Amino acid sequence: NAGVTQTPKFQVLKTGQSMTLQCAQDMNHNSMYWYRQDPGMGLRLIYYSASEGTTDKGEVPNGYNVSRLNKREFSLRLESAAPSQTSVYFCASSPLLGTTDTQYFGPGTRLTVL
Amino acid sequence: AQSVTQLDSQVPVFEEAPVELRCNYSSSVSVYLFWYVQYPNQGLQLLLKYLSGSTLVKGINGFEAEFNKSQTSFHLRKPSVHISDTAEYFCAVSDPSGNTGKLIFGQGTTLQVKP
Repeated sequence: NAGVTQTPKFQVLKTGQSMTLQCAQDMNHNSMYWYRQDPGMGLRLIYYSASEGTTDKGEVPNGYNVSRLNKREFSLRLESAAPSQTSVYFCASSPLLGTTDTQYFGPGTRLTVL
Repeated sequence: AQSVTQLDSQVPVFEEAPVELRCNYSSSVSVYLFWYVQYPNQGLQLLLKYLSGSTLVKGINGFEAEFNKSQTSFHLRKPSVHISDTAEYFCAVSDPSGNTGKLIFGQGTTLQVKP
């Protein structure tokens, strides 16, 4: 049982390049989330998916797109990377889209945009 | 709108000493409260959460937190820390009325346990 896995672990991009961050969970969870972590700002929600086939914007969605490919996988795409998107990205999942649920986090992807 | 403030960005403490990490929140409605821990180069994991009932919540690794509604606080405590407790700690709040599962995180507190 691997929990939540993310690929890649590290990535360096040039401004304007695109890339997709992959996330998968093997806990049969319905809900999945993408956060970014910046120093002194905690974690901020980018997008979330309540269930397969649905996605919604979080606090900081600009410059990102997401795809809930199936129940296991939730990807985050940067179409045209900008230096302001340099951050650590975390994927998380929870059994249901409920406010009492524990969220389970992946190990993160460290992205640098030059 | 809800917000979470962690009052200390860094807390240095010697091994076996007690520690308190402070968290205040603001909300116009009742909330659920969480503490997550992030060990170096890892993702976050849940320490404990307050949903209802007893205001003293016990979590993993000997941590506990007390919900104080009048002071809108949810401080995390441990009576005796270990080197292995060195990590970043995040307080978070969710809105029960919205039922979206979204969490609002504080800025984080780095706990540095010294030998």
